[in-house]
Amino acid sequence: QQQVKQSPQSLIVQKGGISIINCAYENTAFDYFPWYQQFPGKGPALLIAIRPDVSEKKEGRFTISFNKSAKQFSLHIMDSQPGDSATYFCAASRAGTYKYIFGTGTRLKVLA
Amino acid sequence: EPEVTQTPSHQVTQMGQEVILRCVPISNHLYFYWYRQILGQKVEFLVSFYNNEISEKSEIFDDQFSVERPDGSNFTLKIRSTKLEDSAMYFCASSEGTLQETQYFGPGTRLLVL
Repeated sequence: QQQVKQSPQSLIVQKGGISIINCAYENTAFDYFPWYQQFPGKGPALLIAIRPDVSEKKEGRFTISFNKSAKQFSLHIMDSQPGDSATYFCAASRAGTYKYIFGTGTRLKVLA
Repeated sequence: EPEVTQTPSHQVTQMGQEVILRCVPISNHLYFYWYRQILGQKVEFLVSFYNNEISEKSEIFDDQFSVERPDGSNFTLKIRSTKLEDSAMYFCASSEGTLQETQYFGPGTRLLVL
């Protein structure tokens, strides 16, 4: 119930392509879904976040798509760049607790 | 831009020794957290702290762990008697505590227990 499942584990995309990372959850009490980007040796940095009352949120080249009925959400990186090469984590939390449950991470490599 | 800072960046210790990891959260934030990340694995929640007390902790956060806010700026994680399996990256995070639950993470302390 507390898990967030993330796929794929790793992803290789050509420069200019679209990177898609998927997450699924079971606990319908989750109401906040952030995505974090982590470069080697650094802490996770917030990329974009969404709440279940919207189906999509876009910030620049990054879009979250949210499917409440399927309990799934995904990160789309448009026009992927080599500088986007990093590990991406989805996470979930619910009101009343500030604990984040992280997915297992996706290592993205964008080829120049 | 305000950021969470952590010291030391690396710590090597012998099994059974005590370690204290230090964090300076963002100044106007009210909630503080510790997470850990074992090499190559996901980030795992350890504990959250608000109003000078633990608000939530995970099953990982056993009696060997403690947290403290010794003054108005620092937030510490103490491991009393380190084990080999405590080797991990430890991240401190903080959040404002409002409806915007964004947690801002520090750069981490890499702990190696020998």
